[in-house]
Amino acid sequence: DAGVIQSPRHEVTEMGQEVTLRCKPISGHNSLFWYRQTMMRGLELLIYFNNNVPIDDSGMPEDRFSAKMPNASFSTLKIQPSEPRDSAVYFCASSLEAGRNEQFFGPGTRLTVL
Amino acid sequence: AQSVTQLGSHVSVSEGALVLLRCNYSSSVPPYLFWYVQYPNQGLQLLLKYTTGATLVKGINGFEAEFKKSETSFHLTKPSAHMSDAAEYFCAVRGAGTALIFGKGTTLSVSS
Repeated sequence: DAGVIQSPRHEVTEMGQEVTLRCKPISGHNSLFWYRQTMMRGLELLIYFNNNVPIDDSGMPEDRFSAKMPNASFSTLKIQPSEPRDSAVYFCASSLEAGRNEQFFGPGTRLTVL
Repeated sequence: AQSVTQLGSHVSVSEGALVLLRCNYSSSVPPYLFWYVQYPNQGLQLLLKYTTGATLVKGINGFEAEFKKSETSFHLTKPSAHMSDAAEYFCAVRGAGTALIFGKGTTLSVSS
C-alpha cells in the first residue's frame, strides 16, 4: 500500500489567497484526521471524519477553515482567506476505526503564507 | 476527559545510554496508549501501542513501554541509544469516542 498520500508537499501563497490541501487515505480505512503542527502549539487535531461524515470539528480554528470528504478515498482542507498565522505543517492521517487503532500519517503539507 | 502529559520537552543522552521518555495520562475509559516517532520533515510513525493484555509492549527499533495503571504512566524506554534515534516522540491516548489525544512531544538528542 502507498500509505496516506498528501498533496502538495509544499505550498507558498500570499495572504488572502485560497489554499486547498488534499489527502488520500489508506484504502479500507474508515476514519480520517486532519492535524496542524506548529512550534508554538504542537500537534493539534483540526477535524476528523468517520465513514466520510465529520464527527468532531471543534479544533477548526475559525470559519476560514473548512474540510470535506466527498468519498472514502479523498478529503480536502481549505483555508479561505489564508493568513500568515496559518503557516504550519498540515498532516492527514487515517485509521481503521477512530480511537481503537493506530493512525497512519501522511508526509504532511508545509504551508507558508506570506 | 482524556489527557496526556509528556515530562520533559527535550531529553539528551549519549550513544549507548538508556533512553527514558516519560508519559502520564488521564482517562475516564480503559486507555489505549500509543507512542509515535517523528523524524525531521516526516509524518508521525507508530512505535508501539497498548490496548489490552500484556502491560509490557515491545515496538520497533528496540523500543518498549510499560503500562502502569496505578501510576497512570506509559514510559518509553530503549536500553541503548543510537544516533538514528534522534527524533521527536509523541505519546497519545485514545479519547472517549474521539480521536487520539497527543502529548506535546519530547525531542530526543543523541550525542556520540
